[in-house]
Order: sequence, then structure tokens, then C-alpha cells
Amino acid sequence: AQSVTQLDSQVPVFEEAPVELRCNYSSSVSVYLFWYVQYPNQGLQLLLKYLSGSTLVKGINGFEAEFNKSQTSFHLRKPSVHISDTAEYFCAQNTGGFKTIFGAGTRLFVKA
Amino acid sequence: GAGVSQSPSNKVTEKGKDVELRCDPISGHTALYWYRQSLGQGLEFLIYFQGNSAPDKSGLPSDRFSAERTGGSVSTLTIQRTQQEDSAVYLCASSLGPPNTEAFFGQGTRLTVV
Repeated sequence: AQSVTQLDSQVPVFEEAPVELRCNYSSSVSVYLFWYVQYPNQGLQLLLKYLSGSTLVKGINGFEAEFNKSQTSFHLRKPSVHISDTAEYFCAQNTGGFKTIFGAGTRLFVKA
Repeated sequence: GAGVSQSPSNKVTEKGKDVELRCDPISGHTALYWYRQSLGQGLEFLIYFQGNSAPDKSGLPSDRFSAERTGGSVSTLTIQRTQQEDSAVYLCASSLGPPNTEAFFGQGTRLTVV
């Protein structure tokens, strides 16, 4: 069955430090991958997406993710985080069907 | 409208009552999803509508939950005989339809069953 695993439920990090939020997806013929962010008391918005082509995907707010087929991973990274990056981050996968599956989410805490 | 609109934004109801949650998707979006987000939990898929196709109801947790989409636009999620474990934020999202496109989310309806 299709599943998305976010390996860390919470990630605390100091401001200006680098961060990586890990995501593993289910192997499939067609794979479309997404990262969404949910700021406190707000809805989800798209950070970035991988559909095809270059395995390094750049998104908004300085985030990027790398599609790794051999490891079935799509980890999200940022070289230097800000307090304002504190939010919940969701990895999601669609295999070309009707349903997008979301991971359980990773709560990023950025400390001063 | 400019975005996905959900109403009400907050709903408090007594255990055993029925509730209806409404979602207005972005105009022209043929795909519509309902998800549930419980406190401290991830997103739980509930139901998916795509155009005139039969909806994917595989995520509905019990037969107390149902949803419809009228005219391919507005959707209503109905929970009958609410229970305390139904308390959660119910999120609606819409997309253009092809499965590899971005889903746009509403702000959600926070349901509290007392």
C-alpha cells in the first residue's frame, strides 16, 4: 500500500543552523512528490514539488528537496533557518491516481 | 473565489448531534479532497471527488460520515451522531484534477464535540 513516512515527528534547531526534514515514499512507476507547510493557525500551502526532471527541486522561502529514487527519499533542506520557519511540514505523494497521501508531519521548532 | 473557502471556521456541537461542514473549492477545480487533522496528528484522508466520477470514500472512518458534491462544485461533509473522537480540524482542498498538480487548502473547520 502506498505510504509516506516522515521519520521525525519534531525537529528542534537553532536559528541560522541548517535543517533536514526526512521523508520516505512508496516506490511506484509514477511518483509525484510534494512538501507542504502549515504555519500556526493557518492552512497548508505548497513549498515545492517534484514531477519529473532535475532531482533537486527548489521551493519558496529558501527550501529545497532532493528526489532520490534508489533510496525512495525526498528530504527537505534549508541551509539556514529563521524563527519564522517554525511550522509543521508535510511530505505527500501521488502515484498518478486520484489520491494524494500525506505523511504524519514534522514539527520544526526554530529557537533563538 | 480566490481560494478554497470553508464554513463554519469553528463549530461546537453536543455529542449525538449531526453537523454539516461546507467547502467551496476554487472555481474550475475538478478535484476536491476532505482530510481530517486531529490534535498532534497528521492528515487523514477522508474522501475524494474528481469530476463526475464516483467518489473515493475509502478514508471515511465510519458510516456516520458522508459527503456529497453538488454540481461539481460545493461539497458538504456530514457527520451524524457526533462523538467526542470526531473532534478535529476538517480540511478541504481542491486541485485542477490531474493528480500531479498542487492541492490548494482551505483554512479548515475546527469541530469540537462536547
